[in-house]
Amino acid sequence: EAGVAQSPRYKIIEKRQSVAFWCNPISGHATLYWYQQILGQGPKLLIQFQNNGVVDDSQLPKDRFSAERLKGVDSTLKIQPAKLEDSAVYLCASSTGTDKYFGPGTRLTVT
Amino acid sequence: AQSVTQPDIHITVSEGASLELRCNYSYGATPYLFWYVQSPGQGLQLLLKYFSGDTLVQGIKGFEAEFKRSQSSFNLRKPSVHWSDAAEYFCAGSAGGNTPLVFGKGTRLSVIA
Repeated sequence: EAGVAQSPRYKIIEKRQSVAFWCNPISGHATLYWYQQILGQGPKLLIQFQNNGVVDDSQLPKDRFSAERLKGVDSTLKIQPAKLEDSAVYLCASSTGTDKYFGPGTRLTVT
Repeated sequence: AQSVTQPDIHITVSEGASLELRCNYSYGATPYLFWYVQSPGQGLQLLLKYFSGDTLVQGIKGFEAEFKRSQSSFNLRKPSVHWSDAAEYFCAGSAGGNTPLVFGKGTRLSVIA
């Protein structure tokens, strides 16, 4: 069974630029999560989708972050404009229930 | 609010020694509890999980964890550490189902010869 795929694996941008991350969940997984993991901290939930609908985006900085999951499969997370404090690893996870499966993450560096 | 606390930021153990990583939780009801491991540049790998039943759960790579309701703890243990166990370990909790995981800040494990 293929795991959760994410791309790119690494991205370096300057502040005020925009960036997008892509996630392909495990086939058949209706629930998809985006987490932000700042260096030295545990992952923090940004947004949760159930199929193509948003379940929880209460911790998503909506002035600069946006996410979508068209057709209830792949998802993209966008940051525009990026700030220095957005430097982090962005993790995507999917699930059909209690067990969550994580992708390898995208490491973003904002200079 | 639901929370998970890992009191130790960094632990160093000698290879072959025993290991215990601490985790405390704060949930209204019995949470679903997990331990994940993250090696540098890698994603999160599930070591073990507790939902109900036997409070001592076995996981992969020789790890086990014990759920103690009276202490609100879910500590991770391994009787003999290998150099390859050096990594970041995260304790996480959820309310079950598709509710998202809430993570602790992690404990970095270093293994010395």
